[in-house]
Amino acid sequence: DAGVIQSPRHEVTEMGQEVTLRCKPISGHNSLFWYRQTMMRGLELLIYFNNNVPIDDSGMPEDRFSAKMPNASFSTLKIQPSEPRDSAVYFCASSYDTDTQYFGPGTRLTVL
Amino acid sequence: GEDVEQSLFLSVREGDSSVINCTYTDSSSTYLYWYKQEPGAGLQLLTYIFSNMDMKQDQRLTVLLNKKDKHLSLRIADTQTGDSAIYFCAEYTGGFKTIFGAGTRLFVKA
Repeated sequence: DAGVIQSPRHEVTEMGQEVTLRCKPISGHNSLFWYRQTMMRGLELLIYFNNNVPIDDSGMPEDRFSAKMPNASFSTLKIQPSEPRDSAVYFCASSYDTDTQYFGPGTRLTVL
Repeated sequence: GEDVEQSLFLSVREGDSSVINCTYTDSSSTYLYWYKQEPGAGLQLLTYIFSNMDMKQDQRLTVLLNKKDKHLSLRIADTQTGDSAIYFCAEYTGGFKTIFGAGTRLFVKA
């Protein structure tokens, strides 16, 4: 069984560029979560979706961040424009009815 | 508010038992989880316990839950170098949120 799939695994970009991170949740799961992990702030919940609908985006740091879930098998997290302080590992996780979450391998983002 | 606290570091010798502790604040927790994160990887679900249980054992892992003190622990028997990782405690209280601790970094000395 395929787990949560994230792409790309690594992204290096220059300040000001647009970055799009992608996630494919586990088939049959109806909740999807985006997290950011840094040494300084640990694991932070950015946004979560239930049945493709954004439920809580209070963790999104600012308007430069946006997330979409156009269907049950795909979600994107976009940063535009990117800044060096956005450098982190971004995780996607999915669950059935929001309880036990299963994490993807993460995307390591470096903004120069 | 909701909070999950863990100590940041633990160092043990190979072959010894490791005990990682966690405290949480929300008494309405439904599930409590332990996740393991190895370098460069995502969080891997290790085990979980329902809030109506006191103990769960799974091979080398033993989870103890003290609901009165809101204390959760993970014991790893016969700790190996491959157990070196960050261990996250998390609680699910219903709704849409799981609250994660900051993680305990386990160092295993050969």
